[in-house]
Amino acid sequence: GQQVMQIPQYQHVQEGEDFTTYCNSSTTLSNIQWYKQRPGGHPVFLIQLVKSGEVKKQKRLTFQFGEAKKNSSLHITATQTTDVGTYFCAGSNGQAGTALIFGKGTTLSVSS
Amino acid sequence: DVKVTQSSRYLVKRTGEKVFLECVQDMDHENMFWYRQDPGLGLRLIYFSYDVKMKEKGDIPEGYSVSREKKERFSLILESASTNQTSMYLCASRVPGQGYGYTFGSGTRLTVV
Repeated sequence: GQQVMQIPQYQHVQEGEDFTTYCNSSTTLSNIQWYKQRPGGHPVFLIQLVKSGEVKKQKRLTFQFGEAKKNSSLHITATQTTDVGTYFCAGSNGQAGTALIFGKGTTLSVSS
Repeated sequence: DVKVTQSSRYLVKRTGEKVFLECVQDMDHENMFWYRQDPGLGLRLIYFSYDVKMKEKGDIPEGYSVSREKKERFSLILESASTNQTSMYLCASRVPGQGYGYTFGSGTRLTVV
């Protein structure tokens, strides 16, 4: 079945450094979504990418969807302690009656 | 804001018990989902429902069943709880179609002893 792989599993950075997490799917995706889960919290929807090669920005966060629609990345510029948490990508093949398949997530820790 | 409410934040049950996890959403969403989250394994889909009385198996349905009698409520049932079902259970809902993310509940941390 469809699999979504995410790397790295953990990343520790100093505050102010950049951070990137990568997501790869075994199949072509209809769309990809990104979620953030703060420690002790639940996943919160950040964004969805639909088009091949699409790039979207949310302040210091940049999301990309690959040309082949099989990979995606989330880049955070100049991390802050508020960026701490686990970032999940989740893909869909777009077929009716299917659900998102989540990657295992990348847990980001930031030291000041 | 959409609210997805899970009935219990923490639950402790004994092996062999029948366990009901309840999830209610207040925004008339058609699609609802149950995931379990375990360290290092991410979120794994147990069951989902895209309409009342409809249900579909996810990746790990064994040992679970679901009920969706009303649009706003999606229940996860552990027929006979086992220790390997100790986990965080997350319910989510969404509007069907492109462009809509999932809204998750706060989760139920279930411990089976």
